Amino acid sequence: KQEVTQIPAALSVPEGENLVLNCSFTDSAIYNLQWFRQDPGKGLTSLLLIQSSQREQTSGRLNASLDKSSGRSTLYIAASQPGDSATYLCAALMDSSYKLIFGSGTRLLVRP
Amino acid sequence: DAMVIQNPRYQVTQFGKPVTLSCSQTLNHNVMYWYQQKSSQAPKLLFHYYDKDFNNEADTPDNFQSRRPNTSFCFLDIRSPGLGDAAMYLCATGGPRADTQYFGPGTRLTVL
Repeated sequence: KQEVTQIPAALSVPEGENLVLNCSFTDSAIYNLQWFRQDPGKGLTSLLLIQSSQREQTSGRLNASLDKSSGRSTLYIAASQPGDSATYLCAALMDSSYKLIFGSGTRLLVRP
Repeated sequence: DAMVIQNPRYQVTQFGKPVTLSCSQTLNHNVMYWYQQKSSQAPKLLFHYYDKDFNNEADTPDNFQSRRPNTSFCFLDIRSPGLGDAAMYLCATGGPRADTQYFGPGTRLTVL
């Protein structure tokens, strides 16, 4: 059974810092891995999607990497801003189904 | 333009009083999902439809039912809401391979 874990559960950084959020998964038979952002009381916004054949994806200040062999993905945020404050969730789409398995998220606070 | 729409955004019901949440999509996607997300937890898949084929998760309570009358609409029925059913309910859609899931803004359910 796939399990997705995110560390740390919460993170507080001063504005301008570069930071890394971690995601690990136990079953490497994933089709892709997705990073989402969730603002308080809101739905999920897709940030980056990495196919299993890819190593990384970039969008603006965000860079996500995927290492299937070690069961890890990271989300790198460059030059963090207060507007980046949110919960970041990673989710693995299993190769054998249409199901996304979510981690419980990292709650990020960027202090001005 | 909104692609996945959920109504209402906020729903208050009484203990044991049936409630229906609505989801519609303009993406013409085959797959529609319902997730339950409790505070500070990962979204938990309740069930999904591939076209009209219904797939229930093994641990989804019988209290939860779903209907998909056509491609665009999907409903979540909670027959007898309990206090433990208070949560954010997220609807999502995916294409034939569900490479990317698109989430609606969610419905926040309060049970009094």
